[in-house]
Formats: sequence, C-alpha cells, structure tokens
Amino acid sequence: AQSVAQPEDQVNVAEGNPLTVKCTYSVSGNPYLFWYVQYPNRGLQFLLKYITGDNLVKGSYGFEAEFNKSQTSFHLKKPSALVSDSALYFCAVRDAGGSYIPTFGRGTSLIVHP
Amino acid sequence: EAGVAQSPRYKIIEKRQSVAFWCNPISGHATLYWYQQILGQGPKLLIQFQNNGVVDDSQLPKDRFSAERLKGVDSTLKIQPAKLEDSAVYLCASSSARRVGYTFGSGTRLTVV
Repeated sequence: AQSVAQPEDQVNVAEGNPLTVKCTYSVSGNPYLFWYVQYPNRGLQFLLKYITGDNLVKGSYGFEAEFNKSQTSFHLKKPSALVSDSALYFCAVRDAGGSYIPTFGRGTSLIVHP
Repeated sequence: EAGVAQSPRYKIIEKRQSVAFWCNPISGHATLYWYQQILGQGPKLLIQFQNNGVVDDSQLPKDRFSAERLKGVDSTLKIQPAKLEDSAVYLCASSSARRVGYTFGSGTRLTVV
C-alpha cells in the first residue's frame, strides 16, 4: 500500500520569504516522488520528481524538494516566494516496483502575500 | 469520510476495442474531474463536471472519448475505439466548495495492446 500526507491545507507566506510545503509518504518499496502545481482554472502541471540519486531535486520555476528517507518526507521549497507562486500544490508517490498508479496527496493551497 | 471510488483497477484491451471507467466521488462533492496520466508525464485534465454540467472539456478527444455524470453523482468515462496511445492511468478526483484541494481516486491503469 502507498499513501501520501500533506498536513497543511493552506500555507501563507510573504513575498520574498522562503516557502516550504510539506509532504510525507508511505510505500512498501522504494518511492518515486512527485510534486505538481495547479494554477487557477488550469490542470495539474508537473514541477519535479525524485527517482534516484541526489536527495535535493531541482525543478521548474525555482522550486526544489529534498528527499529524506529516514523521515519519509519530500518537502517542497523555494528560497524566495513570488505572488505568482500562489496555487494548489500536490505531492504524489508511487512504489518503484509497483503498479505505476500514483497516489496523490489532498493538496496544499499556497498563498503568497505581496 | 469514504474516498473517491474508481473501477476497474486495471484493464487490458486490444486497439479498436471500447472500454469504460467508473468513478464515484465523495458524497456531497459537486465537482468531479477526470485526468489522464501517461507514464512519465504529469496528469492532464480531460473533463471537469460541476454537478451534472460540463465546466471544461477542452482537452477531451471527443472523437473517441466521452464522459457523463447524469445525476450529478457518479461518472463514467468511455473510450471507443481505443488507440495504443490511450495507454495511461485514468484518475478521477472530486472536490467541494467547503474544503481546499482535491481527493483523488486510486486510478485505473489502462493498457492498449
């Protein structure tokens, strides 16, 4: 079984400040981890993924995420938030040896204040 | 609360055959989405329903795909005839106005051979 938890429904941050959107996961094997973003009135867009290799993964729009195996976490980060980063963010996981079907978190709304 | 139910979990069909997927959203969720996720790509929104009305179906290949949500509750997505490139995971999600975010179903893995 695989599962994802995004413990925060909403994250508020001031423009220019660093942001973190939290994600923890559970899989029976090795994880493939993903972050997606959904801007208002648009479909999900891929941001970044961890498959193997360096624990720090860099993705689109200046976002990065750190894979922490001991804490089973894959938090999304950005050093300096922009108002245009305001959107809904989804974490997803699938078991590397599993069925290719990802499990998504419930989503976290990021609001960046000017 | 019970989650979003999808069936079947897996389906293998030959090209030119037809297939149907079923989704039952969380009770009370007015908005329902069907996504297609091809392996290695992000999910693509196929269609969005608000109750039994279509809000957005701009990326639905209407020559072969159809979807309905007749009573504003459960929904069916159909492909007829299927092509090899339809092999993907089909995700259903629902949301309500009272809570931010979606709840996704477990998905249906379609393989067209």
